[in-house]
Order: sequence, then C-alpha cells, then structure tokens
Amino acid sequence: AQKVTQAQTEISVVEKEDVTLDCVYETRDTTYYLFWYKQPPSGELVFLIRRNSFDEQNEISGRYSWNFQKSTSSFNFTITASQVVDSAVYFCALLTPSTGANSKLTFGKGITLSVRP
Amino acid sequence: GAVVSQHPSRVICKSGTSVKIECRSLDFQATTMFWYRQFPKQSLMLMATSNEGSKATYEQGVEKDKFLINHASLTLSTLTVTSAHPEDSSFYICSATSGAEQFFGPGTRLTVL
Repeated sequence: AQKVTQAQTEISVVEKEDVTLDCVYETRDTTYYLFWYKQPPSGELVFLIRRNSFDEQNEISGRYSWNFQKSTSSFNFTITASQVVDSAVYFCALLTPSTGANSKLTFGKGITLSVRP
Repeated sequence: GAVVSQHPSRVICKSGTSVKIECRSLDFQATTMFWYRQFPKQSLMLMATSNEGSKATYEQGVEKDKFLINHASLTLSTLTVTSAHPEDSSFYICSATSGAEQFFGPGTRLTVL
C-alpha cells in the first residue's frame, strides 16, 4: 500500500526566513513518482515538481529546492527567503504507475504554511 | 502544461436537489479522469476513477448511487451529486491524465443549504 506522511501540520515563519516542509513516503514499488503541490486560498492546486524514483538529483528552481533521499524515503521541500505569497497549503503526493493510466495519487495531509510580514 | 477546466466554480443549492459538475480537458485527450473531494482543512480524498466509455471505479465508502459519474468522451467527465445534503458541502476537484502526470481542475465549491 502507498502512504505519504507529512508530519508537520502548520508552520508559521516570518518573511525572509527559510522553511523546510517534510515528506516521507512508503511504497513497495521500485518505480514511482513524487509530487509537490501548492494550494493557495483560492483552492486551485498548483503543480510544483515531479520527481521519478530513478532520479535522486536534488533540484532547485528559484527560491524552491527539493531534497530526494531514497535511503530515508523522504522528499523534502525547502523555500528560501520565504515571502507572504508563499502562504498556502502544501501537499506531497505519491504515484505508482504500475497500473498504467489508472494510477492513483496518494496525498499527504498537507502542511499549512503561514508567512508573516 | 495541459489545461483542465471545471464548471461551475461555485454552486449553492437547496437540500434535496441534484448538482452536476463538469470536468473538461481542454487541450488533450484524457484516458482517465479522477474525482476528489476535499473537506475544509483536510487533504484531497479520491472518490472515483473514471475511464472513457466504461463505468467508474469508486473508492471504498463512496456511494455510487449518490455520486454519479459519466465519462462520455475523452475530454469530458461529469459528476452528479444526487439529492444533495448539507454534509455533501465540500470542494470537488477533478484531474485528468493521459500518462503518469495528472492535471488538476480549479475545483468546484459546493454548498448545500
């Protein structure tokens, strides 16, 4: 069975602080994909990144960076120099495509990030 | 990226009425569409998986007679909440896929009075 754990539920930081959002996943599949989504108050899910299980390279995109560690089954997300606009709920998700197009995304419970001015 | 639309974005209805929500993939053909429900301050919960031309597969605990799903074409899936009650008030999100990546619609906020 697939499982995604986001142990942090709410994080509050002051603008310009760095913040790391943790994600731990469980799967028996060797091929899988990991995602991060941002959900601002408007509700629409914003895709941030997809990483496949064979690519352990860390990625940086502007102020965002991701640390994928297969050894600890973690896919953590760091926001550098946070801004008020980063305030949102962030979801980590896991997809195992073993069943092809019917593959289901398993979401974590989400982390509510509040960035104070 | 691919675009998925949902209509309506917001609906308020009286208890006992039925509400239809449309999900469209605008620039690609979606072999599979998913319907999620999200209650306030909770995660997305998958309700059902819908494949074009076949019956939807419902997750455990989701009433198939209450949440009717029709996936008549490769670009359109509809979710009908029949005889809606206040406890059905939620944020309904669809996603569409033609491969390993899912593209999400903007969501429909349903309020049942």
